[in-house]
Amino acid sequence: NAGVMQNPRHLVRRRGQEARLRCSPMKGHSHVYWYRQLPEEGLKFMVYLQKENIIDESGMPKERFSAEFPKEGPSILRIQQVVRGDSAAYFCASSRGQGAGETQYFGPGTRLLVL
Amino acid sequence: QQPVQSPQAVILREGEDAVINCSSSKALYSVHWYRQKHGEAPVFLMILLKGGEQKGHEKISASFNEKKQQSSLYLTASQLSYSGTYFCGTEKSGNQFYFGTGTSLTVIP
Repeated sequence: NAGVMQNPRHLVRRRGQEARLRCSPMKGHSHVYWYRQLPEEGLKFMVYLQKENIIDESGMPKERFSAEFPKEGPSILRIQQVVRGDSAAYFCASSRGQGAGETQYFGPGTRLLVL
Repeated sequence: QQPVQSPQAVILREGEDAVINCSSSKALYSVHWYRQKHGEAPVFLMILLKGGEQKGHEKISASFNEKKQQSSLYLTASQLSYSGTYFCGTEKSGNQFYFGTGTSLTVIP
């Protein structure tokens, strides 16, 4: 029973390029969360999605960042025109449902480095 | 919005006990506890629902005080493997999930 999968595990981009991060939730999970973690800091909520729907994107920067969770395939977090400040670890988590008591299971993360 | 954890960091000798606190300024629906080792993903420890508490591991337990909007994680007879950063996560109304500021725990022989 595979856990949450993320790829790539490490991604290096130059300023101005695009970064695409993928997340496949655990089998049977239809809820996906994306978090950003800067070095030596905590996890910051970015966006919460269900299949084909963005439920809450209040933690997402207004520009350059977008997320999707299509009917088929993984959830994608897309960062356009990356800047050095985007360098961070990006974790996704999945849960079976939503509401009090639903556990989120985390993927191994994608470490993005912007040169 | 972000829950505040205390202490920020603690160093223990093997076998000693520790308490990590998590406080929120807003009403809480549930509290989740995670441990993250350096360079790894957070690992779920346990969840506490309003009005109750739940043990996830034998020597790690937690409590949830709804009125004070606080949760505490108790680690007894600490082991080297307990080292890591502990985060509480809280749900409030709506869909957002907030992680606390984190507590770095180091257990030394």
